[in-house]
Amino acid sequence: QKEVEQDPGPLSVPEGAIVSLNCTYSNSAFQYFMWYRQYSRKGPELLMYTYSSGNKEDGRFTAQVDKSSKYISLFIRDSQPSDSATYLCAMRQGGGNKLTFGTGTQLKVEL
Amino acid sequence: GAVVSQHPSWVICKSGTSVKIECRSLDFQATTMFWYRQFPKQSLMLMATSNEGSKATYEQGVEKDKFLINHASLTLSTLTVTSAHPEDSSFYICSAVRLAANYEQYFGPGTRLTVT
Repeated sequence: QKEVEQDPGPLSVPEGAIVSLNCTYSNSAFQYFMWYRQYSRKGPELLMYTYSSGNKEDGRFTAQVDKSSKYISLFIRDSQPSDSATYLCAMRQGGGNKLTFGTGTQLKVEL
Repeated sequence: GAVVSQHPSWVICKSGTSVKIECRSLDFQATTMFWYRQFPKQSLMLMATSNEGSKATYEQGVEKDKFLINHASLTLSTLTVTSAHPEDSSFYICSAVRLAANYEQYFGPGTRLTVT
């Protein structure tokens, strides 16, 4: 079993839809949770950064962490074609900088 | 802020030659940088952790003599692929840890290496 599981998609939604992306993990030591967006042939871009359980909102993006269920989510409201990309969840333990990534979910927002 | 650059963005080299890739944090200092490798439609695979002023720590299965890493300053790390072979063709991405921002990790744009 992988430490971090993420549905690879692809996920196709119409413009304006609410998108829900999810990851599950098995290591209870993870404390910091991140979502990265990666466009084709580009490096990942940090979207959201959350410590421990709870919600964090930034514009159209909301990140949720439920440590009791070992489940994290990223919601995108009013999705736009420019949101079409691969979304990677990542997490790390309290000590150290090493990230563990999910496999990434490919999202396509269609006009 | 938090910009990381990589050079070159793409490179083609012949089998048996060596290629150096640079990773720079442009507006912050990074005592730790990471090197990843990514195959098409796959996630990032951590190759090694680069710490300024000390030897890099390699992940299991990564040949340290083939992938030479040097972290000469707080803003620069280099990855040299020695005696490159076609199977080394991949997308190489570096990241830098920003200490002043809860150890957030920022990624470079990546370098596409093709070995012919």
